[in-house]
Order: sequence, then structure tokens, then C-alpha cells
Amino acid sequence: GNSVTQMEGPVTLSEEAFLTINCTYTATGYPSLFWYVQYPGEGLQLLLKATKADDKGSNKGFEATYRKETTSFHLEKGSVQVSDSAVYFCALSSGGGNKLTFGTGTQLKVEL
Amino acid sequence: DTAVSQTPKYLVTQMGNDKSIKCEQNLGHDTMYWYKQDSKKFLKIMFSYNNKELIINETVPNRFSPKSPDKAHLNLHINSLELGDSAVYFCASSLDRSSNQPQHFGDGTRLSIL
Repeated sequence: GNSVTQMEGPVTLSEEAFLTINCTYTATGYPSLFWYVQYPGEGLQLLLKATKADDKGSNKGFEATYRKETTSFHLEKGSVQVSDSAVYFCALSSGGGNKLTFGTGTQLKVEL
Repeated sequence: DTAVSQTPKYLVTQMGNDKSIKCEQNLGHDTMYWYKQDSKKFLKIMFSYNNKELIINETVPNRFSPKSPDKAHLNLHINSLELGDSAVYFCASSLDRSSNQPQHFGDGTRLSIL
């Protein structure tokens, strides 16, 4: 079956530090890959997506590249801000029905 | 202008009661979903409907019954609530059921069972 593994949190960084959150997946077929972000008390928001190998998704300074050879979709940002503090979820969708399989989420805290 | 709206936002009730959560989307999407987020923030899909037809039904107790009166609404009814049902329930929608379509989430309903 499908599964997503992402690094355990919490991750605490200083403002302007470089961020990497690792995500690897196991899937049948050719999945689409997503990063969602959840701010406290809110629902999930799509951060970025990639639908085929070597695609790079990007949004708000965040990037992730779909690497089929390493089955990975790591999230990166060059310079984090306090406002980036949230929980980040890696997810995949494969096959009919668009069923999302999520990783366990990584809490990011950015301090001044 | 809320895209996916759920009511209520909070639900506190006793074990054994029956309750419903409502969800509406104004995005014109064909596909809607219910997810459960546990206390460790792990998210798992429960159900999905496409144009009012059930297409995903995960291993969920039959005390949970989704209903989609039209493609803009997907409600969740829960009978005989148990302590383990305490969680945050999220409704979501997507343009269609294709796996490349991102999902739009509501703000969640926090269910607490006393």
C-alpha cells in the first residue's frame, strides 16, 4: 500500500535559517505529491505540488522536487520567517479517487 | 467567501449520543472528503464522494454515516459516540477525483467526547 515517511519534529530554527524537511514515499503507480501546511486552529492549505518525476513545485519561497529515483519530495526554504511556524504535511495521491495518504506532520517553530 | 465551511467548529457531547457535522463548498467542485485528525495530528481519510456517489469508504465503524444531498454538501453523522471518536474532523473538496487535483480543506470540527 501507499505510505509517506517524514522527519519527526519539532524543528526549531532561528529566523533566516535554511529549512529542510525530509519526505520519502512508497506508492503503487505514479503518485502526485503534495506539501500542505496547517497553522494553529486552521485547516490544511496546499503549499505546493508536483505531479510527475523531476517536477519542482514552489510557492512562497518553499520548493520541493519530485525525485522518482530516491522516492523523495523534500521541502526546502532558503530563509524562514517567524510566520512560517506551522505543521507541515507531506502527502501523496495515487490511483482513482484522489485519496490522500499523509505523513505524520512536522512541526516547525521559527524564533527571532 | 469561505470556500469549504464546516459547522459546528466545536462539538462537546456525552458518550452514547448521536451528532452530525455539516460541510459545504462553494467552489463548484465535484469531489468531497472527510478526514479524521487524531491527537498526534495524524490525518486519515474516512470517506469520499464524487457527484453524490460514494467512491472511498475506508475501514471506519458503521456508526459513521456520510450523506451527500448534492455535490456541494457532504455531512457526517455519528451514532453512539465513543471516547475514541474524539478528534478533529476535516472536510475537503477537489475539482474532480483525479489524483493530481489538490484538495481544499475546511477549518475542522473539534469533537470532544466526555
